Amino acid sequence: GQQVMQIPQYQHVQEGEDFTTYCNSSTTLSNIQWYKQRPGGHPVFLIQLVKSGEVKKQKRLTFQFGEAKKNSSLHITATQTTDVGTYFCTSGGDFGNEKLTFGTGTRLTIIP
Amino acid sequence: EAQVTQNPRYLITVTGKKLTVTCSQNMNHEYMSWYRQDPGLGLRQIYYSMNVEVTDKGDVPEGYKVSRKEKRNFPLILESPSPNQTSLYFCASSHPESNSPLHFGNGTRLTVT
Repeated sequence: GQQVMQIPQYQHVQEGEDFTTYCNSSTTLSNIQWYKQRPGGHPVFLIQLVKSGEVKKQKRLTFQFGEAKKNSSLHITATQTTDVGTYFCTSGGDFGNEKLTFGTGTRLTIIP
Repeated sequence: EAQVTQNPRYLITVTGKKLTVTCSQNMNHEYMSWYRQDPGLGLRQIYYSMNVEVTDKGDVPEGYKVSRKEKRNFPLILESPSPNQTSLYFCASSHPESNSPLHFGNGTRLTVT
């Protein structure tokens, strides 16, 4: 797997505000996957991006893969209390999942 | 129901007492992996297995052993646990292709005193 860095580590937002987390790599990524972990829960797969410049949406969530395939972002519009949790990015290797390495995650808390 | 099952969910033990955390998946996945999660450090890979009888070290393998005798099971063994192995452990499985999503178990919270 390829090393990815994630920022910010923590984010506190008022309910209704937008939220963005970024995933960066110094090398070209073969793909990017995003996971969400609710407090006390386990990581759950959200989406994967494979193509350069790819943009995918899931309701209020927008995922982007950079043109150079070295970065990705997850943007949440008008956050709700159900969005609370830690968001992780990860990238598989060129040939398989093998040594999948996760970023440190961004922990999102919502102020009602 | 497709799932990854870990047992136990919680475990408190003492230094040096061998323990095994079990992991089983019913999705016929070739790939399985163990992670530990610690505050501020995210998920760090301990060991992974691309198929039966094939295991490899992840980023933090010291103090752990694994085996993959059957496709569905991937137990994590701590021969002589130490307090620095107190952590939250997750087992995960997937198909081996690089764009296959991981399915995680519910986690095992281990405390070593």
